[in-house]
Amino acid sequence: GQQLNQSPQSMFIQEGEDVSMNCTSSSIFNTWLWYKQEPGEGPVLLIALYKAGELTSNGRLTAQFGITRKDSFLNISASIPSDVGIYFCAADYNQGGKLIFGQGTELSVKP
Amino acid sequence: SQTIHQWPATLVQPVGSPLSLECTVEGTSNPNLYWYRQAAGRGLQLLFYSVGIGQISSEVPQNLSASRPQDRQFILSSKKLLLSDSGFYLCAWSTGQGLTYEQYFGPGTRLTVT
Repeated sequence: GQQLNQSPQSMFIQEGEDVSMNCTSSSIFNTWLWYKQEPGEGPVLLIALYKAGELTSNGRLTAQFGITRKDSFLNISASIPSDVGIYFCAADYNQGGKLIFGQGTELSVKP
Repeated sequence: SQTIHQWPATLVQPVGSPLSLECTVEGTSNPNLYWYRQAAGRGLQLLFYSVGIGQISSEVPQNLSASRPQDRQFILSSKKLLLSDSGFYLCAWSTGQGLTYEQYFGPGTRLTVT
């Protein structure tokens, strides 16, 4: 079945560093989304991408919809301690507004 | 603006007991509603989704059921809980029109079955 492979599984970085993470699949998707989840809370939508090749920014976050429609990337520039959390990619699954999620990238930022 | 509520926030229940988790959405009409389970802080698994009152689709055969008695209310239930039902349960909504893939999550319910 459809599956999203998210990497890396975890990252330990220094405050101020840039971060890159990605999500890949053998399936083609029409929509990619990126969420952030902090401990004990629900995921928060960061960026939604709807067109192959699309590059979208939200503050220090930039995400791209891969040209093959099989992958997506999220970059965080100049990381700060409040960037800590688990970042999930998600993509449209079949129809009806359903999403499939990656396993998440856990980000730790050292001040 | 739209808001989504879940209660209770945490729940500890013995094996074999019933379960009822509630989710309500404010500020929108006819939303699509979703129940997810998350184990060990990773991997959201879609359990149920609903496109309207009384319309429920199940994604995974399990010990749980869902109901939508009102437009903006979604309930997750079980008659007899299993240990494996422990986890973090998340409700989400999306607009029933246009860009339905953008889902917005509630704060979640932490369920521990003992």
